[in-house]
Amino acid sequence: SAVISQKPSRDICQRGTSLTIQCQVDSQVTMMFWYRQQPGQSLTLIATANQGSEATYESGFVIDKFPISRPNLTFSTLTVSNMSPEDSSIYLCSVGEGNQPQHFGDGTRLSIL
Amino acid sequence: KQEVTQIPAALSVPEGENLVLNCSFTDSAIYNLQWFRQDPGKGLTSLLLIQSSQREQTSGRLNASLDKSSGRSTLYIAASQPGDSATYLCAVHTGANNLFFGTGTRLTVIP
Repeated sequence: SAVISQKPSRDICQRGTSLTIQCQVDSQVTMMFWYRQQPGQSLTLIATANQGSEATYESGFVIDKFPISRPNLTFSTLTVSNMSPEDSSIYLCSVGEGNQPQHFGDGTRLSIL
Repeated sequence: KQEVTQIPAALSVPEGENLVLNCSFTDSAIYNLQWFRQDPGKGLTSLLLIQSSQREQTSGRLNASLDKSSGRSTLYIAASQPGDSATYLCAVHTGANNLFFGTGTRLTVIP
């Protein structure tokens, strides 16, 4: 199964700032996914990132707030922009193709002061 | 929209007991169902994947079943150990490469 590394593992940020989270996979994958897990909640898909095209965002998430890059088949970044305390969550990237299991990174725990 | 429910929300059992975690989903048009465990402050570890055409999958002390027509899955853990303590999440794959997650069952195995 794919090994997924996320950086940073955690951060504490000031409101109004932005943070970019990196996701590196040890093999080439077509699709990468970004999820958010708010405190005490389950996971919600933010967007799907394909290499060479713009990310596809789920309802309630917009590119201006969560810009995503996918420069190649092993790497993606998610930026959380103009952060507020409501953005305090765990952000996770995952990979999975077709009917294969999805695998997740360890996540980035983000706290906004 | 697919909705996934997990019952119970929390479960505490003594070491050595067998236990069952439940997952239900509202739309039976799924590609597969996946069970994960999540340790505190960590990401998700994939445990088992059941394709929509399958009835069950086994890995070690874990057995997951799927009844697609009734919208239910169970995760059976045999001879529970303290190291099994974690939150268990089920997720259904609807074919749009999107996983719909339940809210999880927090399991505590008491030594």
